[in-house]
Order: sequence, then structure tokens, then C-alpha cells
Amino acid sequence: DADVTQTPRNRITKTGKRIMLECSQTKGHDRMYWYRQDPGLGLRLIYYSFDVKDINKGEISDGYSVSRQAQAKFSLSLESAIPNQTALYFCATSDPSRGQETQYFGPGTRLLVL
Amino acid sequence: AQSVTQLDSHVSVSEGTPVLLRCNYSSSYSPSLFWYVQHPNKGLQLLLKYTSAATLVKGINGFEAEFKKSETSFHLTKPSAHMSDAAEYFCVATPKYGNKLVFGAGTILRVKS
Repeated sequence: DADVTQTPRNRITKTGKRIMLECSQTKGHDRMYWYRQDPGLGLRLIYYSFDVKDINKGEISDGYSVSRQAQAKFSLSLESAIPNQTALYFCATSDPSRGQETQYFGPGTRLLVL
Repeated sequence: AQSVTQLDSHVSVSEGTPVLLRCNYSSSYSPSLFWYVQHPNKGLQLLLKYTSAATLVKGINGFEAEFKKSETSFHLTKPSAHMSDAAEYFCVATPKYGNKLVFGAGTILRVKS
């Protein structure tokens, strides 16, 4: 969905490095999410934010942190990357004000930690 | 706890034949249910969603799914597969009016010519 963008699209880094993945959206949604996708495991929620002042841990938040700089921006950081954080990372947004929790996904960031 | 089980990790069909991708959910209350598709090197696209209206839900590209509460199932079907349907499909659930998605592990659909 072109309304949700992620940068970079691909990244290779080394163990111990700090990296940041960025997500921007033009949908005007308050809620934003970060997931990681691993083969055979589907998507798992890392962090989510219901508005700029609300940040919540998901099921696999260890080793990650986030920053909600504005309604439109939600960044994911790996403070000290490790190889098992190699995965495909997705950002998503939603607008539950219409009574439905449909999420709209960005194109993903493929991260390789050596 | 709510979980979503996709019964097949891989499904292979011939072009022009029906598609069936199976999904069961476990929950103590009626959830909202979704099917998303992910084409290679692409993000996830919403195919269809069930939110307690009609139990037979029609989505994009000829797909549909039927919510069966008695079987806790939400299987995805299409009468005739097309080569462009080859992708990975995710069944997803969330409690009604909830805020977290629970993903199944995914089913990779292969379409043979």
C-alpha cells in the first residue's frame, strides 16, 4: 500500500550495530504497528502505538525499541543487532474509529544481521 | 488465548481448478477474521474480512470465505485458480472491537500450469 512507506527496503548490518527502521503513513491513522515475519511463523507483533503518547509492547519486544515522532511516523530501533533478528519487518496502520480493525501494511524491510 | 491455525503450510493446485485454504481459530468469543495475501517481495494486501455481518464474505480477485462458528473455521476458497494467485496467504483474527491481530503461520499457494 503506497500510503504506508518503509525505509530502507533492504539492510545488511553487523552484530552489535544499532539500526533504525522507519515507517511513514499518509492515511491519517492514529494506530501504528511493527511486526516481524519469519518463515513458518506468520507475523508477530513487536510494538504498537495508539497515538503519539501511547506506546505498547507486543509479544516479542525484547531487543527492540520504538519512537512515535508524530502521528505519521513510527520508527523501530534495534539497539544492538543480533543474527536472530534477521527477518522481514512490516509496519502497519489502522483506524478503528470505523468499528473495524483492518490494518494496512507497508512493503516491508528485509534485514540481514551478520 | 486466541490462536489461528492454518492447516496446510503448502497447497498446490492446477490452473483452473478450485482453491481451498483452511483456517481454524480458537476463541471464547466471536472474533473479526481476515485473509491477507502476500505476493513475493510485496507487502500484505487485504483479501477480505468478516466482522459479524454475512457469514459468506466475498473479497477481491474472486476469493471468498465462509465463517462457520460451529466449526470455528474461516476457510478461503476460489472456484478457479489463476497463475497470479500464487502467493502466501495469511488467516488473521482479532477479538471483536479488539486491537491486536493474531496471524496464522501462512499457507503458500502454488499454481501449476
